[in-house]
Amino acid sequence: DIVMTQSPLSLPVTPGEPASISCRSSQSLLHTNGYYYLDWYLQRPGQSPQLLIYLSSNRASGVPDRFSGSGSGTNFTLKISRVEAEDVGIYFCMQALQTPLTFGGGTKVEIK
Amino acid sequence: QVQLQESGPGLVKPSETLSLTCTVSGGSISSSSYYWNWIRQPPGKGLEWIGYISYSGNTNYNPSLKSRVTLSLDTSKNQFSLNLTSVTAADTAVYYCAREERFYYYMDVWGKGTTVTVSS
Repeated sequence: DIVMTQSPLSLPVTPGEPASISCRSSQSLLHTNGYYYLDWYLQRPGQSPQLLIYLSSNRASGVPDRFSGSGSGTNFTLKISRVEAEDVGIYFCMQALQTPLTFGGGTKVEIK
Repeated sequence: QVQLQESGPGLVKPSETLSLTCTVSGGSISSSSYYWNWIRQPPGKGLEWIGYISYSGNTNYNPSLKSRVTLSLDTSKNQFSLNLTSVTAADTAVYYCAREERFYYYMDVWGKGTTVTVSS
């Protein structure tokens, strides 16, 4: 199985400031089609996860442009350019390169 | 707009079978563009992929659960289902169903989740 490791576990943020979350995989997530099969999800308190970013850097429909994803190989990053109050929750990365699909342990973002 | 809704018993006894159904509305479960997934989240923990079923009934299970899991499709009701046998307290979790785009494998629609507790 591909092991996904996120850091930090917890991220206190100030509204208006940037934030960054790291996700590392135990093997490269590069597909033969040239895409990296890494997705980001946000689980707001009491809600189900929602898709933010797919294929490492593509924003899902309706996701604000303050969210961006980048990375290659085994190292990926989710960035929030200016954190807003509604961004609090747990962020998960997930590899979709091979089954079983596996998730990172999550990063809890909270407002300072 | 496609919506998914999980349903099933909230309490299951140890050694019995957990059975959940996901009802799809606003779209067809027979679409060849998607896989239909189950994911679970134990209390206070992360997400675990259980498996998916395709529009044609092909399945793919997490090896850690494969011996106990069966997914099935009911196209007449636009539903898909999860059966998990011989449950223990470790199977206590929130269970989500989710739609997965089958070419790039992202889960773009999730149900609200249903809590299942395994206890006598």
